[in-house]
Formats: sequence, structure tokens, C-alpha cells
Amino acid sequence: DAGVTQSPTHLIKTRGQQVTLRCSPKSGHDTVSWYQQALGQGPQFIFQYYEEEERQRGNFPDRFSGHQFPNYSSELNVNALLLGDSALYLCASSPEPTGWAYEQYFGPGTRLTVT
Amino acid sequence: RKEVEQDPGPFNVPEGATVAFNCTYSNSASQSFFWYRQDCRKEPKLLMSVYSSGNEDGRFTAQLNRASQYISLLIRDSKLSDSATYLCVVIPGGGSNYKLTFGKGTLLTVNP
Repeated sequence: DAGVTQSPTHLIKTRGQQVTLRCSPKSGHDTVSWYQQALGQGPQFIFQYYEEEERQRGNFPDRFSGHQFPNYSSELNVNALLLGDSALYLCASSPEPTGWAYEQYFGPGTRLTVT
Repeated sequence: RKEVEQDPGPFNVPEGATVAFNCTYSNSASQSFFWYRQDCRKEPKLLMSVYSSGNEDGRFTAQLNRASQYISLLIRDSKLSDSATYLCVVIPGGGSNYKLTFGKGTLLTVNP
């Protein structure tokens, strides 16, 4: 049973460029969340997708956008990259929560460096 | 005030020591609480959920105090393999039921 997979593993981009990161959820999971983790910080919630729609969004600018496909995989797009966007981008999947407590499974992340 | 605040650390302890991590959260409507573990340059992984009555999993004990909005994690008989960053995590509730809100993390190094 494959866990959450992300691609690419590492990426180097220049300021002003655009980037697309990809995520495939764990088998049986239909919800995908994206997090940004800067060095020395905890992950920060970007947004969550469920049924191909953005269900909840964190405090990130519109330069950050996403998409979920019918097979539940997801993309994170970042436009007009800034140096401060350099971080580890984590994708997490989960089944639709049936109660208050549920686990999100994280992928290995994509390390983005903006120069 | 930050949504989730943790002991800044780092903690350096010898093998066999007992170590405790503390965490506070700001949203009294928060419903779900977790401790995640993150190894260096790896993804976070769930260590344990935290229940109102407190819960234990082997050498690990988690406690929740809703009145004080305080969460703790106790590790007994520390092993070298416990070296990692420990992240306190809260689901805020009140309309934000789907996102995990992480603390900054506390780095633990267990020394031989």
C-alpha cells in the first residue's frame, strides 16, 4: 500500500518564476492538504481540497493556488516566486473525517529553493 | 498570541532520562490535539493523539488540560532513537475543523 507520494523531491527556481508541485494521496484517502514548512518552523497550513474543491484556506496569498483531480491527486501552484517561498512543501492526505479527531498522513515533501 | 506555543528547546538528555514537553493553545474551541514527531529532513508522523482523560502508549504519556489550554508529552526511559523534533498540533475547531495547526516544535537529542 503506497503512502503519500510527492514530486519532485527537490526544485530550484528563480524569483518571479512559477512552480507546480504534485501529490498523490494514500490509497483510500480523498482529502488532500498542503503545508509550507520554513526552516526551523512548524508546518503552516496552505489549503485543503476535498471533492475537487478548495474547502479551507490558510493565511497565504492568492499566488498560491491548487487543484484536485478526480483520482484525488493534487497540485500546488505558486506564481511570482519570492525568496521567502523557499521551504519544504508537504502534502498530507486523510479520509473524510467522521469525528473530531483524525490523522493526516504526510508525504516526504518537495524542497523548493528560490534564488 | 500564537495559536500553538511550545517549549523552545532544544533539549539534550542522556539515555534513560525522563523528559517532558509542554504546549499551550489559544483557541478554547479547539477540539482535537496531537503530538507529531519529525526526524531531520523528513515528514512529520503522528506519535499519538491526546485525549481529555490522558493517554499512554508505552514510554509516552500525553495529558490535556482544557481549563488551562495546555498539552504535555512525557517520555520515560529515553532512547537514542527518540532524538527528533516533537510538534504539538491542534485542530482549532469553530469552522476551522480541517487544518492542523502546528507549534514550532521542540528538538530533542538523546545522548549515549
